[in-house]
Amino acid sequence: DAGVIQSPRHEVTEMGQEVTLRCKPISGHNSLFWYRQTMMRGLELLIYFNNNVPIDDSGMPEDRFSAKMPNASFSTLKIQPSEPRDSAVYFCASSLQGQGAVNTEAFFGQGTRLTVV
Amino acid sequence: DAKTTQPTSMDCAEGRAANLPCNHSTISGNEYVYWYRQIHSQGPQYIIHGLKNNETNEMASLIITEDRKSSTLILPHATLRDTAVYYCIVRARDPFSGGYNKLIFGAGTRLAVHP
Repeated sequence: DAGVIQSPRHEVTEMGQEVTLRCKPISGHNSLFWYRQTMMRGLELLIYFNNNVPIDDSGMPEDRFSAKMPNASFSTLKIQPSEPRDSAVYFCASSLQGQGAVNTEAFFGQGTRLTVV
Repeated sequence: DAKTTQPTSMDCAEGRAANLPCNHSTISGNEYVYWYRQIHSQGPQYIIHGLKNNETNEMASLIITEDRKSSTLILPHATLRDTAVYYCIVRARDPFSGGYNKLIFGAGTRLAVHP
């Protein structure tokens, strides 16, 4: 398996523009997590899905952020409109959760470095 | 989930054992101790986890005290590639789904391995 795949790896956009980050979890995994990492705040959990359903979005900073998981193999994190303070590295992770699951650790993608100017 | 406390930074000589401590004095009975690390510019990587028994895998060993209030991650022969931020996380198991609650990262310990 290629692991968790995120795209793009780098994104530079102007303030006010819409930004969409993409994630393909590991095949067979049923939980997906979006994190944001900055020097000031470290790694923050934004939202996580279980079986394509959002379970906890309490970490989503504000209404400008939205996340979807239309199917088990794809998720998006959208920021609209983007602001300079949204500049960060955004990580997606997936894991297998549930009764009888052998390996439940989370596997992380390489991240998307977002710069909003 | 219980809070963890780790030293901000540590040094280790290459080839020596690196012992990274973690305090989790408020841990409860259904909470596991997880360790992840993050090498510069990469996503976090799972290392090991345990409940109350000591655990060992190809990457590291995890020693959990009998009262479970603290633990130590041991990298037996540290290499330069082990330079990273190491995160100790306490995570509860969901009794209904059998899965684990969300991973909440603290500040971690910055380990520098030097020649």
